[in-house]
Amino acid sequence: GAGVSQSPRYKVTKRGQDVALRCDPISGHVSLYWYRQALGQGPEFLTYFNYEAQQDKSGLPNDRFSAERPEGSISTLTIQRTEQRDSAMYRCASSLGGSGSVKQFFGPGTRLTVL
Amino acid sequence: GQQLNQSPQSMFIQEGEDVSMNCTSSSIFNTWLWYKQEPGEGPVLLIALYKAGELTSNGRLTAQFGITRKDSFLNISASIPSDVGIYFCVGGAQKLVFGQGTRLTINP
Repeated sequence: GAGVSQSPRYKVTKRGQDVALRCDPISGHVSLYWYRQALGQGPEFLTYFNYEAQQDKSGLPNDRFSAERPEGSISTLTIQRTEQRDSAMYRCASSLGGSGSVKQFFGPGTRLTVL
Repeated sequence: GQQLNQSPQSMFIQEGEDVSMNCTSSSIFNTWLWYKQEPGEGPVLLIALYKAGELTSNGRLTAQFGITRKDSFLNISASIPSDVGIYFCVGGAQKLVFGQGTRLTINP
């Protein structure tokens, strides 16, 4: 597709379950970013990759959150032992990389609800 | 951490009016961006600013990168119904820092 795609678009899970959120970036984009957006707020940075290398994970809230991008394309954000406070919209973005990094293109997001 | 303060938080205007919103930061940013988000969608990039003092236009939108590198403003001229949405000022490069947004509502 032409844009960033994310799946699933909606995920409802029970507290304590693990969830995996997928992001498929724009073809050819080197950099991939994960953000979390609470209702009524702007997105907050979680982590980002250049190719398959995780460059910055300073925004991950705790060690239940992890992300990978093993082949430098699709990325998965995993939340283990989910808690109700993890409920939010999780957004992925991609960019060309290098000097083009500031122009990040966002996907539609995955809305996670933890019951 | 770095924070961006946007004002106003919301605006209710008549179609055809001009709009002005601004953003200030406690930290210096080397890049400022303005994004727009519509319901159910991800943020969409409107304008990117790379140098202090830079003034850039995109159609009816004009944005400026403040001289101190701690502020930016966005103007929208002759607003139309499709301008409705939430406008975010954003600072940073790879690790974007978003403001809390300005919600624009237009009365036809």
